[in-house]
Amino acid sequence: GENVEQHPSTLSVQEGDSAVIKCTYSDSASNYFPWYKQELGKRPQLIIDIRSNVGEKKDQRIAVTLNKTAKHFSLHITETQPEDSAVYFCAVGSGGGADGLTFGKGTHLIIQP
Amino acid sequence: SAVISQKPSRDICQRGTSLTIQCQVDSQVTMMFWYRQQPGQSLTLIATANQGSEATYESGFVIDKFPISRPNLTFSTLTVSNMSPEDSSIYLCSVEGVGSADTQYFGPGTRLTVL
Repeated sequence: GENVEQHPSTLSVQEGDSAVIKCTYSDSASNYFPWYKQELGKRPQLIIDIRSNVGEKKDQRIAVTLNKTAKHFSLHITETQPEDSAVYFCAVGSGGGADGLTFGKGTHLIIQP
Repeated sequence: SAVISQKPSRDICQRGTSLTIQCQVDSQVTMMFWYRQQPGQSLTLIATANQGSEATYESGFVIDKFPISRPNLTFSTLTVSNMSPEDSSIYLCSVEGVGSADTQYFGPGTRLTVL
């Protein structure tokens, strides 16, 4: 089955700086790559996703890049703010809406004031 | 996105008992899934809840332990059977088919503690 590796497990950045979280996956047939943000005691919230026919997608301060050849994708958060502090999970799906997602182990992002 | 609710939001149960968790969506969706999130861990897919047929289970999860129903396009249940302390987790349902085909939205979760 699919194997998803996520790094780093913890990331501490100064407010206003950028944060980058990386994930690799094993199944070359995978073609859907969402990112979720989970605050303590809350449900995972989708923040951005990308499909394999696109190399990069941006939504305000958040961007995701995908390298299908290398089987890795990354989340980029610019101009970080205290409310960005949370656990971020990458996930991988086969696309087509038929299968569930395989999640990475998560990154605890800490924004230092 | 859809409004997803789960009942109960939390429960404390004795070992050997069973608990049924409900997931309700305010609109028809094509796919519903059940995940488990152990304390401080990531999410693991338990099964896909298929409407009108048996659920599809992931490796390591079996129907006798986690029976699932999906009688229609807006509702599903997950039962955790013959519970042990190792079943203490957050159980989340997710739905797909609201908006784009692949996008999954999660319910608020059910926090289960087994004593």
